[in-house]
Amino acid sequence: QQQVKQSPQSLIVQKGGISIINCAYENTAFDYFPWYQQFPGKGPALLIAIRPDVSEKKEGRFTISFNKSAKQFSLHIMDSQPGDSATYFCAARTSNAGGTSYGKLTFGQGTILTVHP
Amino acid sequence: KAGVTQTPRYLIKTRGQQVTLSCSPISGHRSVSWYQQTPGQGLQFLFEYFSETQRNKGNFPGRFSGRQFSNSRSEMNVSTLELGDSALYLCASSLRIQSPLHFGNGTRLTVT
Repeated sequence: QQQVKQSPQSLIVQKGGISIINCAYENTAFDYFPWYQQFPGKGPALLIAIRPDVSEKKEGRFTISFNKSAKQFSLHIMDSQPGDSATYFCAARTSNAGGTSYGKLTFGQGTILTVHP
Repeated sequence: KAGVTQTPRYLIKTRGQQVTLSCSPISGHRSVSWYQQTPGQGLQFLFEYFSETQRNKGNFPGRFSGRQFSNSRSEMNVSTLELGDSALYLCASSLRIQSPLHFGNGTRLTVT
């Protein structure tokens, strides 16, 4: 129940295209869903995050769509650029202090995104 | 503002040895978390500290331990190293336990 399942494992997109990465979760106590971007040799960097009281959040070219009933959320990268080539991780956390996931992020397995020029 | 600083960046140790990794959080951040990243298991939570107290612990053996100092800096220790402990160890800091996490660039540990 603690898992976050992420797909696809890898994704190749042409420059200017839309990259879509999906995540699904089981634990209904999760109430914070961030996305991280990681370049080789670097730590994950927070991209954008959403809470389940909204269905969509947009920051620049990055949009999170959230479907609470389906327990799914996705990251859309519009106008994908070669500089977006990186590994992307979705994650989830609960704010319930009594929950076992309190304070810790449960990560998906990651998606390697390659944007061809 | 300086980010999360982890030292050293690389470590090579022999099986059976112990190792200590260091983390300096972003100034003003009081919560520090540690994660292990491997190709097979991905990113896994080790533990979290806030105000020098361990608030949460992941499913790792007791060989993995940590602590936080009064200035919020943190160390993690792995004793009796095993080959499977080879990984990137990431430290993350946040203002409080439920605030967004900001990661350092990690310490790459290789156990031979």
